[in-house]
Amino acid sequence: DVKVTQSSRYLVKRTGEKVFLECVQDMDHENMFWYRQDPGLGLRLIYFSYDVKMKEKGDIPEGYSVSREKKERFSLILESASTNQTSMYLCASNLGQGNSPLHFGNGTRLTVT
Amino acid sequence: ILNVEQSPQSLHVQEGDSTNFTCSFPSSNFYALHWYRWETAKSPEALFVMTLNGDEKKKGRISATLNTKEGYSYLYIKGSQPEDSATYLCASPGTSGTYKYIFGTGTRLKVLA
Repeated sequence: DVKVTQSSRYLVKRTGEKVFLECVQDMDHENMFWYRQDPGLGLRLIYFSYDVKMKEKGDIPEGYSVSREKKERFSLILESASTNQTSMYLCASNLGQGNSPLHFGNGTRLTVT
Repeated sequence: ILNVEQSPQSLHVQEGDSTNFTCSFPSSNFYALHWYRWETAKSPEALFVMTLNGDEKKKGRISATLNTKEGYSYLYIKGSQPEDSATYLCASPGTSGTYKYIFGTGTRLKVLA
């Protein structure tokens, strides 16, 4: 079974801090994704990576950056955390095509105070 | 922008009842339709990936149908059990199977014992 592991389940950070959310997958998937989930909204794509060092902006990239130095690891970086980035963050991975199911991590609930 | 809509938003059913919910998506340039189950404190889990008009998939008591011409998919649960309580998400990749999956806001199902 594919395993997608997110480093933290819960995280509390202060406004202005730099925050790193880590995600590791163990099935050699090309694609990795970062989403955020907010009440009343569908999962929204922040960033996507289709290969090492390759990234594409999703629908809401502002205030975030990403890093993919190794195929199995995809990091989401909040350069200067703000209260409107309080959310549930989900990492996912899949093989190349749109008919390949996404495999999700357990999520990180981030609170920025 | 591709819109994926789900109804109802939430649903309470008694144990043993059968239920169904809907996912609507634009029918033009269809590529695939995904269904996920997201239980509280767990990661979203892929149920089905559907690609062919008229397709029907089944996993235990859960089944799904797909109508790409009119742009909808139904998810059915037969004889609901408390462990079926979860949020059910549908998602569609962008045209031509691109990585920009668009998620619906989900149907939250609560099965009462």
